[in-house]
Amino acid sequence: KAGVTQTPRYLIKTRGQQVTLSCSPISGHRSVSWYQQTPGQGLQFLFEYFSETQRNKGNFPGRFSGRQFSNSRSEMNVSTLELGDSALYLCASSLGGASNQPQHFGDGTRLSIL
Amino acid sequence: DQQVKQNSPSLSVQEGRISILNCDYTNSMFDYFLWYKKYPAEGPTFLISISSIKDKNEDGRFTVFLNKSAKHLSLHIVPSQPGDSAVYFCAAPWAGKSTFGDGTTLTVKP
Repeated sequence: KAGVTQTPRYLIKTRGQQVTLSCSPISGHRSVSWYQQTPGQGLQFLFEYFSETQRNKGNFPGRFSGRQFSNSRSEMNVSTLELGDSALYLCASSLGGASNQPQHFGDGTRLSIL
Repeated sequence: DQQVKQNSPSLSVQEGRISILNCDYTNSMFDYFLWYKKYPAEGPTFLISISSIKDKNEDGRFTVFLNKSAKHLSLHIVPSQPGDSAVYFCAAPWAGKSTFGDGTTLTVKP
């Protein structure tokens, strides 16, 4: 069974640009969550999508957005990039959501802002 | 307000000995906890979980203890192996999102 796939693995952008990250969940998983991890920090929850609808949202500015397609694949978009957006972005999938079951993580996209 | 805290950024133990990783939480509504392990350049992988109706859950070398009155959980690894060297995160899912601690880097020396 294929795991969670995130593309690209590495990305370099400059301030002011925008970026789109992609996540393909495990087949059959309908919930996809996105997290940001900065050095020395835990994973900060960005948002969760379930059946193409944003179901939960963390405390991030509106520059961070996402969507989910009918095949459960998800994309995350960050507009007007800032230096502080440099981080590892992880996506995680599960059957029904994070509340009572483990999540399966991809290996992340390392985003560097110059 | 950090609702899940791992106060030890790092831990070093000798191979064969016990590793104890700690995690504290503040939200008394949390009723399910997980531990994840993360190697460099890889995403976190699920290790073990515990529901608040239990105070202990065991899976091979890994045991998680939950003390609800103290709002504290711990992960015990016995015996520790060099391959256990990784960053360990505790997590508490609630209201549709998971709150993670900042992680503890475990180094197991041969």
